[in-house]
Amino acid sequence: DTGVSQNPRHKITKRGQNVTFRCDPISEHNRLYWYRQTLGQGPEFLTYFQNEAQLEKSRLLSDRFSAERPKGSFSTLEIQRTEQGDSAMYLCASKQSTSGDEQFFGPGTRLTVL
Amino acid sequence: KQEVTQIPAALSVPEGENLVLNCSFTDSAIYNLQWFRQDPGKGLTSLLLIQSSQREQTSGRLNASLDKSSGRSTLYIAASQPGDSATYLCALGGTASKLTFGTGTRLQVTL
Repeated sequence: DTGVSQNPRHKITKRGQNVTFRCDPISEHNRLYWYRQTLGQGPEFLTYFQNEAQLEKSRLLSDRFSAERPKGSFSTLEIQRTEQGDSAMYLCASKQSTSGDEQFFGPGTRLTVL
Repeated sequence: KQEVTQIPAALSVPEGENLVLNCSFTDSAIYNLQWFRQDPGKGLTSLLLIQSSQREQTSGRLNASLDKSSGRSTLYIAASQPGDSATYLCALGGTASKLTFGTGTRLQVTL
């Protein structure tokens, strides 16, 4: 594994349903970031982890959103009671906090809420 | 709050032309600036990273500059090719390496 992976790549759901996305970072990276990108816009920061600790959450992350990184490796992002406004690309990125500043992004999960 | 603007929003150029993409930002207290490429429906590919103490970085046909005092960065693409067609995003690195992105420039290179 040489990059960040995300699953699923696409998710279509009905309004009100819960969805969960997974991100597997580059194995030696201790920092993991979630971003959200809506059509025609740049990505916006949602939250980040250092190892298993969630250190910061954006105001964009409403109480319907929860993210975890239980063992300091993969992370999940859950959205409860989805709304049409949640439709977006959810991007995950990782980096090693002790070396360099470059973040490496996964391919994203495209969520469509009908 | 950091505001990042990219101009133009869209650009179409013929193959072989040199071009410049612009990024401006409001808060010069940054750690670094990254330029990314995004193909339709895909994730982000990092192109260049400039540390706040640096003025420019080069990789192949790409050259990025950073002027913190004026809150500007440019991405120069030499001898453009159809394969360069994509959206180009600049992102400012702040505390904890959180990135603040611009809205991107959509580039089309025509034959």
